[in-house]
Amino acid sequence: TQLLEQSPQFLSIQEGENLTVYCNSSSVFSSLQWYRQEPGEGPVLLVTVVTGGEVKKLKRLTFQFGDARKDSSLHITAAQPGDTGLYLCAGAGNTGKLIFGQGTTLQVKP
Amino acid sequence: NAGVTQTPKFRILKIGQSMTLQCTQDMNHNYMYWYRQDPGMGLKLIYYSVGAGITDKGEVPNGYNVSRSTTEDFPLRLELAAPSQTSVYFCASSSIQGVYGYTFGSGTRLTVV
Repeated sequence: TQLLEQSPQFLSIQEGENLTVYCNSSSVFSSLQWYRQEPGEGPVLLVTVVTGGEVKKLKRLTFQFGDARKDSSLHITAAQPGDTGLYLCAGAGNTGKLIFGQGTTLQVKP
Repeated sequence: NAGVTQTPKFRILKIGQSMTLQCTQDMNHNYMYWYRQDPGMGLKLIYYSVGAGITDKGEVPNGYNVSRSTTEDFPLRLELAAPSQTSVYFCASSSIQGVYGYTFGSGTRLTVV
């Protein structure tokens, strides 16, 4: 069974701080995605990374796919209260379906 | 373009009752999925479909049933509701299975009392 471990589970920081969320597995994934979910809504896709070592930037968010395609990280620079939410990583496993991590709840205080 | 639409948004059921959660998508996606989300547990796959007339079980199918008579609709049926089925349910769809991401609906919050 393929698993994705996300850390940390909870993060509470002040506005302006930087943070990194990690997503790790012992399995190889063909792609890895990051979603952001707000209360009462479904997850919304932020980015997909496909190539080992790939780095993608989305404004203040930087996503990296590990060289071996087993792990990924999400780095947020100068966090803002609008970044508050649940962040989920998901890997496309060997069955083709997505496997989700447990999620990281981020709270950014003004 | 509505994307994935789920109804109802909220529902309270008594133990032993049945209900159907509706899901429809207007993107002509072949792949559709039902997940449940419990606090700290991420998303668990209940059932999925690769096209009209084809469905298969996910990780946690017990107590649920699905059908896929059209490309657009993928309803989830709960028979004999139990407190363990209290959760938030999400429907999702994709054009290619998994690799480039899913589009999710806004969810149905179900409480079984």
